[in-house]
Amino acid sequence: GEDVEQSLFLSVREGDSSVINCTYTDSSSTYLYWYKQEPGAGLQLLTYIFSNMDMKQDQRLTVLLNKKDKHLSLRIADTQTGDSAIYFCAETGTYKYIFGTGTRLKVLA
Amino acid sequence: DGGITQSPKYLFRKEGQNVTLSCEQNLNHDAMYWYRQDPGQGLRLIYYSQIVNDFQKGDIAEGYSVSREKKESFPLTVTSAQKNPTAFYLCASSPGRVDYEQYFGPGTRLTVT
Repeated sequence: GEDVEQSLFLSVREGDSSVINCTYTDSSSTYLYWYKQEPGAGLQLLTYIFSNMDMKQDQRLTVLLNKKDKHLSLRIADTQTGDSAIYFCAETGTYKYIFGTGTRLKVLA
Repeated sequence: DGGITQSPKYLFRKEGQNVTLSCEQNLNHDAMYWYRQDPGQGLRLIYYSQIVNDFQKGDIAEGYSVSREKKESFPLTVTSAQKNPTAFYLCASSPGRVDYEQYFGPGTRLTVT
């Protein structure tokens, strides 16, 4: 099937690390993306990883890709209250993006 | 400033009425997309257009219609045939290739009563 799976909720304390997981389906995706959606707004690109990479680091963000298991993760270091949002992973299928269900991250002060 | 705009932010309609949601981009992107977002279901593709005067159905096109007469504009009409139209609608654009980043508008929340 074409389901990209994510857990729906994650709650962390301010200053801790957050890890958001995603299982995708299409091993031919060239890029895999992470988008952030703040309440009532559109999606903004956070980061992406090229499919031939295992890891990508971008300031507080680390993306890990396990192609064998089709598993993608996003780690946010030193999580802040401003990181509270919904996070979507996305794979690029034949003609379209396939988005995960989104993980709602709540950061507790 | 380059970007993608949607209007209005909030829209209220009575059941049985058609309603058109606006989406405009000045990024010179070839491809444009419409998504519907419902809680806990992620984004579902309604229609997409890769070039002017051409568009294709996505996964949930029933009850919706689009046009792409200009590169910068991709309006979505929610018809009375759409059984459950209340949702958050997002428009996006990209340079063209499916694996490029998509740029999203701020969304329109449609409530039909």
